[in-house]
Amino acid sequence: AQKITQTQPGMFVQEKEAVTLDCTYDTSDPSYGLFWYKQPSSGEMIFLIYQGSYDQQNATEGRYSLNFQKARKSANLVISASQLGDSAMYFCAMREGLLNQGGKLIFGQGTELSVKP
Amino acid sequence: DADVTQTPRNRITKTGKRIMLECSQTKGHDRMYWYRQDPGLGLRLIYYSFDVKDINKGEISDGYSVSRQAQAKFSLSLESAIPNQTALYFCATSAAPGSYTFGSGTRLTVV
Repeated sequence: AQKITQTQPGMFVQEKEAVTLDCTYDTSDPSYGLFWYKQPSSGEMIFLIYQGSYDQQNATEGRYSLNFQKARKSANLVISASQLGDSAMYFCAMREGLLNQGGKLIFGQGTELSVKP
Repeated sequence: DADVTQTPRNRITKTGKRIMLECSQTKGHDRMYWYRQDPGLGLRLIYYSFDVKDINKGEISDGYSVSRQAQAKFSLSLESAIPNQTALYFCATSAAPGSYTFGSGTRLTVV
């Protein structure tokens, strides 16, 4: 069965510094997708970044990058130059199956990030 | 208007009452999902539907039922609400090529 694990319940980072949020996954399907979402205190789920299992390069979106280590089954989120507005809950999620098949997302437990001024 | 709309946004109900959470979407997506979020547990899948005639149980379907009235509407019902169903509920949609859109959530409190 597929599984997503986030081992850091809470993290602190100084403003303008980089931070890495850990995510490990387990699946027997060779085709899968990995997602990161941000949930601010208002509650909405904001999509940040996506990595497909066959993608050769690590995904990047602005200040967000995904450090994808397939052999280690890890998909860590790196936020560069942290801002106060980055304080939020962050969820890693995985979808089994090919990209164009859609499918259910399985979520990790989340990491609460606090950015200090 | 939001692409995925959940109603109500907040609801307090009493133990034993039946309650329905509604979700409607303008994305034209075939696939719809209901999740619940509890602190420390992330989001867990309750039910999902890949089209109007296809409804599947998720990880935690006990105590819940769903209805897919149309492509755009997917409702979640709690037949007899209990306090441990107090949670934040999300509806989401997806379509090829696999992007997901979430509603703003329904915060449900069962007293």
